[in-house]
Amino acid sequence: EPEVTQTPSHQVTQMGQEVILRCVPISNHLYFYWYRQILGQKVEFLVSFYNNEISEKSEIFDDQFSVERPDGSNFTLKIRSTKLEDSAMYFCASSQGGFSNQPQHFGDGTRLSIL
Amino acid sequence: GIQVEQSPPDLILQEGANSTLRCNFSDSVNNLQWFHQNPWGQLINLFYIPSGTKQNGRLSATTVATERYSLLYISSSQTTDSGVYFCAVLYNNNDMRFGAGTRLTVKP
Repeated sequence: EPEVTQTPSHQVTQMGQEVILRCVPISNHLYFYWYRQILGQKVEFLVSFYNNEISEKSEIFDDQFSVERPDGSNFTLKIRSTKLEDSAMYFCASSQGGFSNQPQHFGDGTRLSIL
Repeated sequence: GIQVEQSPPDLILQEGANSTLRCNFSDSVNNLQWFHQNPWGQLINLFYIPSGTKQNGRLSATTVATERYSLLYISSSQTTDSGVYFCAVLYNNNDMRFGAGTRLTVKP
């Protein structure tokens, strides 16, 4: 079964540095998402992306964050000038259709640790 | 915004027991998914169930959208069922909101 793949599985970064998290969505999917889960808390929506632009974003997704689909397969989340509170598990997801008519498939996550 | 509440927050079972997990949501939704987060942090998609009933082995789920709740049934629980079970609903187009989860511990 096709999978969403995320790299790296664990990223350790010094506070203030930039970090890029990478995702390869399922190949025939058109909608892409990033979520965040701070340790011990619920999973929180960050952003959805379709047709090379952001379609929805949460209040968490401020100017520190950006997303990009640099080529036909990768979907990236960039965090500029990382802060301690950015430490979390970041999940990428994709779906074949948007809105309500298709389930979202999640990757295994990238655990980001800010020192 | 929409509220997603899961109950119970914690559940401890003996291996072989059955359980029911509940998810209530405060507004109409078009999509609901159940996930199992294993001890390694992976989110495993269990069911996509905006309405009706589905079964997959020992697990089944029912969503009654008109009454704004969904139930996840686990029968003959095994230690490998341990982890956190999340309900998530699609709200505001592509914004999926998760509940706080039910932490299940199955003891041998």
